[in-house]
Amino acid sequence: KQEVTQIPAALSVPEGENLVLNCSFTDSAIYNLQWFRQDPGKGLTSLLLIQSSQREQTSGRLNASLDKSSGRSTLYIAASQPGDSATYLCAVLDSGNTPLVFGKGTRLSVIA
Amino acid sequence: GAGVSQSPSNKVTEKGKDVELRCDPISGHTALYWYRQSLGQGLEFLIYFQGNSAPDKSGLPSDRFSAERTGGSVSTLTIQRTQQEDSAVYLCASSLGTGIWNSPLHFGNGTRLTVT
Repeated sequence: KQEVTQIPAALSVPEGENLVLNCSFTDSAIYNLQWFRQDPGKGLTSLLLIQSSQREQTSGRLNASLDKSSGRSTLYIAASQPGDSATYLCAVLDSGNTPLVFGKGTRLSVIA
Repeated sequence: GAGVSQSPSNKVTEKGKDVELRCDPISGHTALYWYRQSLGQGLEFLIYFQGNSAPDKSGLPSDRFSAERTGGSVSTLTIQRTQQEDSAVYLCASSLGTGIWNSPLHFGNGTRLTVT
């Protein structure tokens, strides 16, 4: 059974700092990995999707990498801003018709 | 807007009552998912629909929970005889299809259910 772990559970950084969020998964036979952002009281917003054949995806100040063989992904946020404060979740899509399996998220606070 | 729409946004109900939660997915999305998010917990998968295939109900926590999707579009999640442990945020999501590996999931803002 696929399990997704995110470390740390919470992170507080000063504005302007570059930071890395980590995600690991137990079964490397995945079709894709997605990173989401969740603001308080809201649903999830898709940030980046990396297909299993890809190694990274970039969107603005965000860069997500995927090392499928080691079961790891990282989300790099450059020059963090207070508006980046949110919970970041990663999720993997296993082979076959299965739903996304989510980690519990990392709660990020960027302090001005 | 063309996003996933959920209603109601908040629902307070008494223990033992039945509730219905509604999800209107993005037009053209054949896959629809229900997840539950409890305080301090991750997202718990409940059920998903893919086109005309039989739904995957493997995540439903008990037979008090059921869901249907009419005409391949709107979905309703029904919880019968609600219990306090059912209190959570119920999130609906849709995508182009589970067989489309580069199709991200789009979520609604959820329904916050409180059982008193």
